[in-house]
Amino acid sequence: AQSVTQLDSQVPVFEEAPVELRCNYSSSVSVYLFWYVQYPNQGLQLLLKYLSGSTLVKGINGFEAEFNKSQTSFHLRKPSVHISDTAEYFCAVSGTMYSGGGADGLTFGKGTHLIIQP
Amino acid sequence: NAGVTQTPKFRVLKTGQSMTLLCAQDMNHEYMYWYRQDPGMGLRLIHYSVGEGTTAKGEVPDGYNVSRLKKQNFLLGLESAAPSQTSVYFCASSTQGTEQFFGPGTRLTVL
Repeated sequence: AQSVTQLDSQVPVFEEAPVELRCNYSSSVSVYLFWYVQYPNQGLQLLLKYLSGSTLVKGINGFEAEFNKSQTSFHLRKPSVHISDTAEYFCAVSGTMYSGGGADGLTFGKGTHLIIQP
Repeated sequence: NAGVTQTPKFRVLKTGQSMTLLCAQDMNHEYMYWYRQDPGMGLRLIHYSVGEGTTAKGEVPDGYNVSRLKKQNFLLGLESAAPSQTSVYFCASSTQGTEQFFGPGTRLTVL
């Protein structure tokens, strides 16, 4: 079984400032990691994913995340945010194909509400 | 290519009523999922399916049933709705080892 902790329920940031949204996970097997974004009254859209390979992953809309296995973290970063980045961000984890997981759903964190202030 | 679609978008039920939520995907994905989203709780897995004719329980299955008679469809049923089932329901689909693609959600209120 896996678990995900998003350390901040809400992060206020000024426009054009950098931001980091924190995510830690717990798992007894190898994992895949994901960040999803949810704009108001919409479904979830994938920002980026870590499946294997380079630990620095680049996604859409200028976001990136770094997988740190020793610290079991997958923090999301953006160097300069815009008003349009205001949304709920979810970190999620699943087991890998090789650890017998991947088919039985994602485990989500509780979400971080990113608030961009003008 | 519509991706993942959900029907209906909104629904209000009275306690004890039943209903079925329909999820359809046109990406030929093997795996399909139902989640519920509640404020401050993130998304929690209700049931999932790894192929036509198969279903399995997730984290919060009580009070729900599912069926996957066709590969492209995944139905979520509430036999006797309760106020605790007021939530936003999301369907998702995937192939193993890739990300899940989500539908737009169904907002359900049980009075």
